[in-house]
Amino acid sequence: AQSVTQLDSQVPVFEEAPVELRCNYSSSVSVYLFWYVQYPNQGLQLLLKYLSGSTLVESINGFEAEFNKSQTSFHLRKPSVHISDTAEYFCAVSDQGAQKLVFGQGTRLTINP
Amino acid sequence: GAGVSQSPSNKVTEKGKDVELRCDPISGHTALYWYRQRLGQGLEFLIYFQGNSAPDKSGLPSDRFSAERTGESVSTLTIQRTQQEDSAVYLCASSQIAGGYNEQFFGPGTRLTVL
Repeated sequence: AQSVTQLDSQVPVFEEAPVELRCNYSSSVSVYLFWYVQYPNQGLQLLLKYLSGSTLVESINGFEAEFNKSQTSFHLRKPSVHISDTAEYFCAVSDQGAQKLVFGQGTRLTINP
Repeated sequence: GAGVSQSPSNKVTEKGKDVELRCDPISGHTALYWYRQRLGQGLEFLIYFQGNSAPDKSGLPSDRFSAERTGESVSTLTIQRTQQEDSAVYLCASSQIAGGYNEQFFGPGTRLTVL
């Protein structure tokens, strides 16, 4: 069965520093990959997704993630973070043909001024 | 509606009591999902509906858990004889159709505390 690992439960960084949130999944079958974000006191919302095509996908607020099939990874990066990026980030995977998402445990990103 | 709504937002109950959690999906979304998020953990899939049928109930942790959906709209998740380990945030999501490639839109969740 598919599983998702987010190695870092918490990542503190300074404002304007770069950040990488790591995500690895277990199954090498064809997959769809997602990052969801949960801002304080808000519901989960989709940040970006990989379905097919270019392995590098971007969000509207400067995050990007790269699908690496050989390493079964989908790490999330941002070159310069802002205070408003403080949130919990969840990586999720769906096997092609499956209906449900399998989520990682989440990474809490804390931005220090 | 504008988004997925869930009620109640918070529920405190005593061990052994039954609870019902409600989810109103986005209008027109045929697929509806229930997840559970225990403290410090990721989301666990419970069940999904396509229309009013539930093709995958594999995530329901025990026979104390059940869910139904009527009119391709509202869904209720029922937990009978609640136990302390049932304490969690229960999240509902909907998507236009079922399929792992479809974006799921999440509600704010119901925080359940079993004393």
